[in-house]
Amino acid sequence: QSVLTQPPSASGTPGQRLTISCSGSSSNIGSNFVYWYQQLPGTAPKLLIYGDNQRPSGVPDRFSGSKSGTSASLAISGLRSEDEADYYCAAWDDSLSGWVFGGGTKLTVL
Amino acid sequence: EVQLLESGGGLVQSGGSLRLSCAASGFTFSSYAMSWVRQAPGKGLEWVSGISGRGGSTYYADSVKGRFTISRDNSKNTLYLQMNSLRVEDTAVYYCANGLTVAGSFDYWGQGTLVTVSS
Repeated sequence: QSVLTQPPSASGTPGQRLTISCSGSSSNIGSNFVYWYQQLPGTAPKLLIYGDNQRPSGVPDRFSGSKSGTSASLAISGLRSEDEADYYCAAWDDSLSGWVFGGGTKLTVL
Repeated sequence: EVQLLESGGGLVQSGGSLRLSCAASGFTFSSYAMSWVRQAPGKGLEWVSGISGRGGSTYYADSVKGRFTISRDNSKNTLYLQMNSLRVEDTAVYYCANGLTVAGSFDYWGQGTLVTVSS
């Protein structure tokens, strides 16, 4: 059972806009930055969004992050087949003094 | 180019020990915190442990506290994870990752090393 809650799966068609939610609590999302990681099949995770809504260089602006209270969202616009991957949210948890992850959302592009 | 290369994984019996290493290059190693994150087969990501840039602060997930020890040798640009009293549920791919602080993201990840604990 993950501390952060994500839907296990999501799907969309090419060109569509899609959002993935991540729900936490006051000790993690509510008081610290949220990060999103993309894990393509058979590869290591890659930083997609940091500081709630910032994109590292090289990440397309089709990806965006937002946060409100104890929940966060990852939005992907102009969905592409190469976006098929697992997406994880993460945040530092002050109560645990450690990182917590969401269970991951498997994105399928139909 | 940042490179993180894990090694030391393998097959070990329950109750045994293993030491993982992560060789870093392409950045000023001592200026970055480092962490270990694992992924059990077919499962999600789980943070295991983190250490500050100079090694003075360490953090552990409750699931490994008292059994695993994280350390680093900044003269060798290498991160370690000593794993003792291994359990079947420790079976996973172990990734090392860097970040400006322990609580400040995992910027780059290694390719991972597989640890399999048999009963």
